[in-house]
Amino acid sequence: SQKIEQNSEALNIQEGKTATLTCNYTNYSPAYLQWYRQDPGRGPVFLLLIRENEKEKRKERLKVTFDTTLKQSLFHITASQPADSATYLCAPTGGSTLGRLYFGRGTQLTVWP
Amino acid sequence: NAGVTQTPKFQVLKTGQSMTLQCAQDMNHEYMSWYRQDPGMGLRLIHYSVGAGITDQGEVPNGYNVSRSTTEDFPLRLLSAAPSQTSVYFCASRSTGTTYEQYFGPGTRLTVT
Repeated sequence: SQKIEQNSEALNIQEGKTATLTCNYTNYSPAYLQWYRQDPGRGPVFLLLIRENEKEKRKERLKVTFDTTLKQSLFHITASQPADSATYLCAPTGGSTLGRLYFGRGTQLTVWP
Repeated sequence: NAGVTQTPKFQVLKTGQSMTLQCAQDMNHEYMSWYRQDPGMGLRLIHYSVGAGITDQGEVPNGYNVSRSTTEDFPLRLLSAAPSQTSVYFCASRSTGTTYEQYFGPGTRLTVT
């Protein structure tokens, strides 16, 4: 069965630094990989999608890479701010999973001033 | 657009009781899903639907039923509640386009005593 691992449950960094979150997956070949943000007491919110033929994608201070050989995605937040503190979820998508979307357990990011 | 709405926001049940969690979306999305989220377990897919009249099981379907009679609504039924079903439940929807972006509802916090 599919397995999705996110590097650590919690990541604490200082404001202004770059946060790097890791998502690894096994046992399937997604055509896309999505990243979501979840704040306490709320549903996840879509941030970015990267396709298998894209090495890198950027949106403002966010950057995502997708290495289908390593079966890994890296999610970077540059110039991090306390408002970036949240849980970030990855979701490899497509391929054999079709309409279903499975998520990693998430990494809780805390940015301290 | 209201997006994805869920009712109720909170619910307390006694073991053995039944209830229906409501989910509706006004974006004309074909795909809808139900997830449960438990501490340390991430989001787990319960059931999903790729259109009216079509449903299928996810990772943790036992104890739950779904039906999809309209595009807009996707209710989740707990037939005989158990304490193990204490969780936060999220409904989500997405279009059949290639964006794959999922929209989540605000969640229902269910406690079974």
